[in-house]
Amino acid sequence: EVQLVESGGGSVQPGGSLRLSCAASGFTFSDYWMHWVRQGPGKGLVWVARLTSDGTGTSYADSVKDRFTISRDNAKKTLYLQMNSLRVEDTAVYYCVRDARYSPDQWGQGTLVTVSS
Amino acid sequence: QSALTQPRSVSGSPGQSVTISCTGTSSDVGSYNYVSWYQQHPGKAPKLILFDVNKRPSGVPDRFSGSKSGNTASLTISGLQAEDEADYYCCSYAGSYTWVFGGGTKLTVL
Repeated sequence: EVQLVESGGGSVQPGGSLRLSCAASGFTFSDYWMHWVRQGPGKGLVWVARLTSDGTGTSYADSVKDRFTISRDNAKKTLYLQMNSLRVEDTAVYYCVRDARYSPDQWGQGTLVTVSS
Repeated sequence: QSALTQPRSVSGSPGQSVTISCTGTSSDVGSYNYVSWYQQHPGKAPKLILFDVNKRPSGVPDRFSGSKSGNTASLTISGLQAEDEADYYCCSYAGSYTWVFGGGTKLTVL
């Protein structure tokens, strides 16, 4: 069974940093591109970042570019999202998502990030 | 990228059919047959119900079907059941290895 388990969320003040992790199991993690998608409170889904299977290629939404960094450790089967210079508008549930050839297929349960003073 | 446009809400009675539209642009929905749909119950993660416009993952009932014309994709749910009440999101590949999602549609089963 495919499982994606996010962790690392929490409360932080504006300008602060957090690092999210996503532990993968049940599939060959190193074969898949991975993404982060977020959902603000009561809002829709928004794509955040993507990473190639070997960790060398990245893309970011304009809203997080130069503040967030997506990375992975294939030996540990773990995806990361380093979030710096956090803003109130970054408050959301962050989902780790597997890329199945141009579409998201498997989603984690999400981890809540709250940015507030 | 701008979010794909979905109706905020739709409703139907048990046994009826409903259709949810998802309108994008020639840069996303109109250019690729990589439209997918997700069902999200409150407090839960999204669940894939259709991919590549009209393909169902194993385990998804054939009551769920999809289509696309031009810049608009559609999800049709036939034989509505109480458990279909949820939020539904469309997603399209938008080029350069990025995705764009719709704003979501709340389905109410009357």
